Amino acid sequence: DGGITQSPKYLFRKEGQNVTLSCEQNLNHDAMYWYRQDPGQGLRLIYYSQIVNDFQKGDIAEGYSVSREKKESFPLTVTSAQKNPTAFYLCASSIDLGSGIRKETQYFGPGTRLLVL
Amino acid sequence: AQSVAQPEDQVNVAEGNPLTVKCTYSVSGNPYLFWYVQYPNRGLQFLLKYITGDNLVKGSYGFEAEFNKSQTSFHLKKPSALVSDSALYFCAVRDPISGNTPLVFGKGTRLSVIA
Repeated sequence: DGGITQSPKYLFRKEGQNVTLSCEQNLNHDAMYWYRQDPGQGLRLIYYSQIVNDFQKGDIAEGYSVSREKKESFPLTVTSAQKNPTAFYLCASSIDLGSGIRKETQYFGPGTRLLVL
Repeated sequence: AQSVAQPEDQVNVAEGNPLTVKCTYSVSGNPYLFWYVQYPNRGLQFLLKYITGDNLVKGSYGFEAEFNKSQTSFHLKKPSALVSDSALYFCAVRDPISGNTPLVFGKGTRLSVIA
């Protein structure tokens, strides 16, 4: 987990509320990722960003939004449009070798568990 | 399209016995393969990776994995299991032909080591 912090550890959302999960890294990595983990379903990619001010949708982006204003920060907002947000959310980062093929390992934060009240 | 399969949801092994966690993959070219471990309510920890070279890769905590191109497999192994190895294990793949795409993960295999 070292070098990547996620906060809060637990987050409670009320119906119709937007909530933001924080992810910060001090590894000087270019690329950052958000995954959602549900029991028995493994990790599913929500959004990823290869560089500041740029990001791409993953497999399950609907109901989520992100921003990448700083290299070290990649916050995820779970909007009210996400009808089933209860899950464990994992942030990761990796070195991006620019135009080269990314062989580098993804490193993960400790996760945030989101629960609906 | 790239994909990875972990055919076993659960693997049980006695402490001191060898363990194997299976992973098979599907990619267009030569794969980059990774193994991660997750303890309860924690993030994923990197164990080892295969990029190129020797088919037997050694990683953290005594784990190793063997890349088998003909069987499109990358099974995780350890000669002698410990109770502390009990955790959720994920295999992941990246296909270099697909360009700069994130890792694709399997659904995970829960390893239970019984004392």
